[in-house]
Amino acid sequence: GIQVEQSPPDLILQEGANSTLRCNFSDSVNNLQWFHQNPWGQLINLFYIPSGTKQNGRLSATTVATERYSLLYISSSQTTDSGVYFCAVAKRYNNNDMRFGAGTRLTVKP
Amino acid sequence: NAGVTQTPKFQVLKTGQSMTLQCAQDMNHEYMSWYRQDPGMGLRLIHYSVGAGITDQGEVPNGYNVSRSTTEDFPLRLLSAAPSQTSVYFCASSRRGQGNYGYTFGSGTRLTVV
Repeated sequence: GIQVEQSPPDLILQEGANSTLRCNFSDSVNNLQWFHQNPWGQLINLFYIPSGTKQNGRLSATTVATERYSLLYISSSQTTDSGVYFCAVAKRYNNNDMRFGAGTRLTVKP
Repeated sequence: NAGVTQTPKFQVLKTGQSMTLQCAQDMNHEYMSWYRQDPGMGLRLIHYSVGAGITDQGEVPNGYNVSRSTTEDFPLRLLSAAPSQTSVYFCASSRRGQGNYGYTFGSGTRLTVV
């Protein structure tokens, strides 16, 4: 199966700082998504981004499919950004066989 | 619109007991999946379904059974619980098709097997 590696495993920031999270994957994919798991365990979909760049407020993501990596950017971080960020990929277009990385745990300090 | 509902939220089982984790969605999503989350390992796919009557195995299917008799429900059965099945279980659903068709997770079931 596809291997998904995320880095760094842990990240501690001061409020207002910017950060970049990386996701490397071992095979070509047609589906890549970023998720945020808040400190209460709830998983929220952030981006569907098998290629290209997208932005949503202070968050943006870029996937370079030919080089098999994706980046999640968080600007002007807030304490509510704390939690674990997961990258998930699938070879097929649809969502029925997603494989997750181990995640990046982000802690934003006030 | 409740989204994806998982019950129970917490459960303690003794080794060898069986139980069913319930998952229901009210969004008419074709796809449903079960994941387990263990510390430091992210989420691993157990079983998934692309529609009523159709199921398939994921990365870690051993010890678990599923069925999909309706579009709304996708229960996960533990046949004979083992301590290695202590984990947090998440159910997810999404619409069929290419793109981000509403991939939605339930709030999870924390299972402890003693």
